[in-house]
Amino acid sequence: DAKTTQPNSMESNEEEPVHLPCNHSTISGTDYIHWYRQLPSQGPEYVIHGLTSNVNNRMASLAIAEDRKSSTLILHRATLRDAAVYYCILTYGGSQGNLIFGKGTKLSVKP
Amino acid sequence: KAGVTQTPRYLIKTRGQQVTLSCSPISGHRSVSWYQQTPGQGLQFLFEYFSETQRNKGNFPGRFSGRQFSNSRSEMNVSTLELGDSALYLCASSPQDRGLYEQYFGPGTRLTVT
Repeated sequence: DAKTTQPNSMESNEEEPVHLPCNHSTISGTDYIHWYRQLPSQGPEYVIHGLTSNVNNRMASLAIAEDRKSSTLILHRATLRDAAVYYCILTYGGSQGNLIFGKGTKLSVKP
Repeated sequence: KAGVTQTPRYLIKTRGQQVTLSCSPISGHRSVSWYQQTPGQGLQFLFEYFSETQRNKGNFPGRFSGRQFSNSRSEMNVSTLELGDSALYLCASSPQDRGLYEQYFGPGTRLTVT
């Protein structure tokens, strides 16, 4: 399985945008990019996923580099509730297999 | 819709015993996956069941097993418990046609082995 690299931690101010980077230089053409987050004392929560094009949903936006070797999760206006560990995960084909969680990025949001 | 539920939420067992954890997926979801989360190893995939069949398996010893029932509810069993099995066990479900696109996780079962 292709691997991802994320910063260990990031800080943000409340109500400001947050850009969480993820490097996946060994991604293959059929690997999907998934983002999950885990709030303290909770199970992981699906955030967004994409293959080649940028994606938007009510929670966040996913910007995928043209060569697909990196991607960025964008939270448009961080809230205190967004403080969590964010995981960037690749899956082959996207439909089967399993999610391989790395260490993720711990996001802190300051009021 | 109700979310993924897991029972019990907390469990304390003694080394050498066995334990069974239960997971009820979101109504209509047929895929159920299990994960183990520890501070040292993070989140690790155990196995996935779909339509009562194990479809995928992680790298865990045979002491870890699971099954899925016709109503998609799933159980996992750990036999001959070891201290290192202390962890948060998470269950996740997803709709048949979504696969890994959207997995919905339960709150987990916190297992402590003494």
